[in-house]
Amino acid sequence: SQTIHQWPATLVQPVGSPLSLECTVEGTSNPNLYWYRQAAGRGLQLLFYSVGIGQISSEVPQNLSASRPQDRQFILSSKKLLLSDSGFYLCAWSGTGTNSPLHFGNGTRLTVT
Amino acid sequence: AQSVTQLDSQVPVFEEAPVELRCNYSSSVSVYLFWYVQYPNQGLQLLLKYLSGSTLVKGINGFEAEFNKSQTSFHLRKPSVHISDTAEYFCAVSINTGGFKTIFGAGTRLFVKA
Repeated sequence: SQTIHQWPATLVQPVGSPLSLECTVEGTSNPNLYWYRQAAGRGLQLLFYSVGIGQISSEVPQNLSASRPQDRQFILSSKKLLLSDSGFYLCAWSGTGTNSPLHFGNGTRLTVT
Repeated sequence: AQSVTQLDSQVPVFEEAPVELRCNYSSSVSVYLFWYVQYPNQGLQLLLKYLSGSTLVKGINGFEAEFNKSQTSFHLRKPSVHISDTAEYFCAVSINTGGFKTIFGAGTRLFVKA
């Protein structure tokens, strides 16, 4: 069966520090991969998605970047965190059809101080 | 542009009572519809999905939803809720344009009281 791992679960970082969140998927090949950010009471905002190694699409201009160095690995990064980067970050994978549901990791709660 | 509206931000209900969580969407193209549930400090889990066929869809944990194309709605229902159903519920649409965008509603927090 497929599983998705996301870490760390919580993270407290000072403003201006770098960020690296990692997500890996097991049990499937060539998944679509996604990074979402969830703000309280505002649903989920799609940040990045990837349909293959090295292929990244950005949905929202921002302070963050994403990379997919391997088929089942997706990384969210920042060179310098802002206070506004605080939130709950969710990684997800799906199959390649538009009717394929999303499968989420357990999320990372990031607090920028 | 496509959008998803969840009409209630919070729904308090007593245990064993029925519940309906409302969802409306707008789209100029065909869509696939989903409901997800999120327990505190966890990711989202798929409850059910409508892809085609019967407009009444049954999901996990006793939930069901009905797709109404004329009203562009996809309301979620459960005839008798449990304390353990307390969670946040998200309606979502996937746009059938060959892309990979799933749009989420803002969520409805279901609070089941004893």
